[in-house]
Amino acid sequence: GDSVTQMEGPVTLSEEAFLTINCTYTATGYPSLFWYVQYPGEGLQLLLKATKADDKGSNKGFEATYRKETTSFHLEKGSVQVSDSAVYFCALSSSSSASKIIFGSGTRLSIRP
Amino acid sequence: DAGITQSPRHKVTETGTPVTLRCHQTENHRYMYWYRQDPGHGLRLIHYSYGVKDTDKGEVSDGYSVSRSKTEDFLLTLESATSSQTSVYFCAINAGGVVDNEQFFGPGTRLTVL
Repeated sequence: GDSVTQMEGPVTLSEEAFLTINCTYTATGYPSLFWYVQYPGEGLQLLLKATKADDKGSNKGFEATYRKETTSFHLEKGSVQVSDSAVYFCALSSSSSASKIIFGSGTRLSIRP
Repeated sequence: DAGITQSPRHKVTETGTPVTLRCHQTENHRYMYWYRQDPGHGLRLIHYSYGVKDTDKGEVSDGYSVSRSKTEDFLLTLESATSSQTSVYFCAINAGGVVDNEQFFGPGTRLTVL
């Protein structure tokens, strides 16, 4: 079945550091890929998405590129801020998952001032 | 803001009692979902609905039932609450299509079963 694997946290970085959170997936067909973010005490929010191979999703300085050849969708940001501290979830949706989203287990990110 | 509210936001109950959580949306989306979030498990799908009176099970449906009598409301019931059902429960709607499943989440309900 479909699945998502993302790097385990927690990840701790200093402000202005470069961020990468790895995400790989297994799916039949051509899934849509998502990154969601959850700030403390809140629900998940869609951060960015990509719906076909080589698409790049971007939002709030974050980027992720849909790489079908490596089945990856790594999240990157060039210069993180304290306000980026949150839990990040990689996710996919495909025709075989019947309108359901498959989430990774989440990566907690903490940014030091 | 996808107009999703959950009630109650916090609840403490005792083992063996029934509990109902409510999710309300204002934008007539067809698909609605209930998830639970636990440390180390991410989000796990409990049940989902693809229309009024149309529901299906997710990966952790045992001990839970759902109902959807109106498009805007999706109820999650714990038949007889157990301590293992202590969790944070999130409702979501699908604002995209079947494959481009862009979900928007409610603020969550923190449930404690003593």
